[in-house]
Amino acid sequence: KNQVEQSPQSLIILEGKNCTLQCNYTVSPFSNLRWYKQDTGRGPVSLTIMTFSENTKSNGRYTATLDADTKQSSLHITASQLSDSASYICVVSDRGSTLGRLYFGRGTQLTVWP
Amino acid sequence: EADIYQTPRYLVIGTGKKITLECSQTMGHDKMYWYQQDPGMELHLIHYSYGVNSTEKGDLSSESTVSRIRTEHFPLTLESARPSHTSQYLCASSERQLNEKLFFGSGTQLSVL
Repeated sequence: KNQVEQSPQSLIILEGKNCTLQCNYTVSPFSNLRWYKQDTGRGPVSLTIMTFSENTKSNGRYTATLDADTKQSSLHITASQLSDSASYICVVSDRGSTLGRLYFGRGTQLTVWP
Repeated sequence: EADIYQTPRYLVIGTGKKITLECSQTMGHDKMYWYQQDPGMELHLIHYSYGVNSTEKGDLSSESTVSRIRTEHFPLTLESARPSHTSQYLCASSERQLNEKLFFGSGTQLSVL
């Protein structure tokens, strides 16, 4: 059973609008959560990392939040641009092994229209 | 940003052929990984390596094999390709520290006819 669930599966917004992507996880014990951006035909690129003690972290127009109590994270994109069209993948890491196992969500496919 | 390279980008082959997907990184990372990704699905770990002469199978059962003779090189080989092997294969690397971020290559899209 996938321990990382993302919603929505896909999203279409107009350029300049804001949007929020959701990630719910059941991974335990928890180490950190990363958001990756994957452009079509490319490999994922890390946007931000959230650790247990962090609630909010920004990277330009991207703001990630983490609620470790409810095991939820969100990625908010402000003033969207055409280049934001991509798949956004939530990845949760546990600290239960030396490997630090990674659990991947299926991603949210974001399309930004002009 | 990523100095990790995969070749070929696209590969179309017939059933039964032997293929090797190449992956090289110039960042000196000890950890390297191979993931399989199908459209709309999560990435699945098929092989990983902690360093030279260290290789392990991942979560997803795979008929492929890997080798790690040099730090920078982590090729994946399919001895006899089948249509069920059609997928996107992503190579990644990370530093030695636990839970470091992954740097991905651009992937190889494999189609087996």
